[in-house]
Amino acid sequence: EDKVVQSPLSLVVHEGDTVTLNCSYEVTNFRSLLWYKQEKKAPTFLFMLTSSGIEKKSGRLSSILDKKELFSILNITATQTGDSAVYLCARQGGSEKLVFGKGTKLTVNP
Amino acid sequence: GAVVSQHPSWVICKSGTSVKIECRSLDFQATTMFWYRQFPKQSLMLMATSNEGSKATYEQGVEKDKFLINHASLTLSTLTVTSAHPEDSSFYICSARWKGGEKLFFGSGTQLSVL
Repeated sequence: EDKVVQSPLSLVVHEGDTVTLNCSYEVTNFRSLLWYKQEKKAPTFLFMLTSSGIEKKSGRLSSILDKKELFSILNITATQTGDSAVYLCARQGGSEKLVFGKGTKLTVNP
Repeated sequence: GAVVSQHPSWVICKSGTSVKIECRSLDFQATTMFWYRQFPKQSLMLMATSNEGSKATYEQGVEKDKFLINHASLTLSTLTVTSAHPEDSSFYICSARWKGGEKLFFGSGTQLSVL
């Protein structure tokens, strides 16, 4: 069975801290790895990763994929309270469907 | 950006009744829509994939006669939970993608509570 495992499951930090969220996956046919931010229920798209070693960056967020070791990380620098959310990782295999991890609940305290 | 509207946001119903959830793509043609279910502290689980004009493809373990999916137009898909029971109480969320698109755009979700 294809699995996506995220760690840690929850994380509490102070504003200004840097966090690294982890996502590992098992899959025979790999197409892409996606990160979403889920707050107030609706996930919003952050990144799609298809190639190893190429960092994608958007403001304070960045992500990279290692297809050899089957994992991805999501970094958030200089965290803000507005970054508090559940961050979901999902992998897309040969078919169209996404398999999601359980998410990492990030809480950023002022 | 692309907008997907889902409603109702929440619904409470009696056991045995049916509930319909709508998912609309407001500014693009959604050739493919996906329906997910999320139980508390669990990940989003794909229930079914629907392509406009054809029958939905259900994931293993999802009863197609209980969760009726209709995707009759390029902007609307509906999920009907028939004869709902308390164990069907969950958060249901749709996502949509246009033809050839890679990104998925999510609706805001529907919290279903069956009494």
